[in-house]
Amino acid sequence: ETGVTQSPTHLIKTRGQQVTLRCSSQSGHNTVSWYQQALGQGPQFIFQYYREEENGRGNFPPRFSGLQFPNYSSELNVNALELDDSALYLCASSTGQDRSSTDTQYFGPGTRLTVL
Amino acid sequence: DQQVKQNSPSLSVQEGRISILNCDYTNSMFDYFLWYKKYPAEGPTFLISISSIKDKNEDGRFTVFLNKSAKHLSLHIVPSQPGDSAVYFCAASKGGSQGNLIFGKGTKLSVKP
Repeated sequence: ETGVTQSPTHLIKTRGQQVTLRCSSQSGHNTVSWYQQALGQGPQFIFQYYREEENGRGNFPPRFSGLQFPNYSSELNVNALELDDSALYLCASSTGQDRSSTDTQYFGPGTRLTVL
Repeated sequence: DQQVKQNSPSLSVQEGRISILNCDYTNSMFDYFLWYKKYPAEGPTFLISISSIKDKNEDGRFTVFLNKSAKHLSLHIVPSQPGDSAVYFCAASKGGSQGNLIFGKGTKLSVKP
């Protein structure tokens, strides 16, 4: 049990629509990262938030955006959905940003998004 | 360009024997390496990690070895158990344990009774 929850579990959308995925981290986890895992691939980094500010971004277009809230919850928003956005979306949280930290990032169970 | 590579998509091992999962990386700036285990319909579960200043880390049945000169790490599971059957992902970071993780494609381990 990692203490990281995600909602919804599954979601079906049509091309062009917008979607919001949610993640709830453990109390005290100031860092949250979002990953996209396509079928047969490893998770791919989308972006990271630290204390409600974006703290790094992977190779994803601006239609992928996020928010982090003071209550350790966060959102991933995707606009203008494309068929290739179909994937498992994972969030991971950890306590801090200190490079010397050995605290690990803990993953939630993911949201399976299908775009038709 | 894949910076973290797991060249074996699958591995089958007999219960009680050793499982060795391998991972290669290309970026010498990586300073932290992790192994995650993933069951179907679940998120990745942290298994073990190693900092680039070490060459070995052990936790119970799991040991990770890091060879920086070869840019290679491996996960040893001894003895292997049927419950270890899962997909294992190798991941690397340039920002310590807090940096964004670069994952390999995974190796599916099957441990047969």
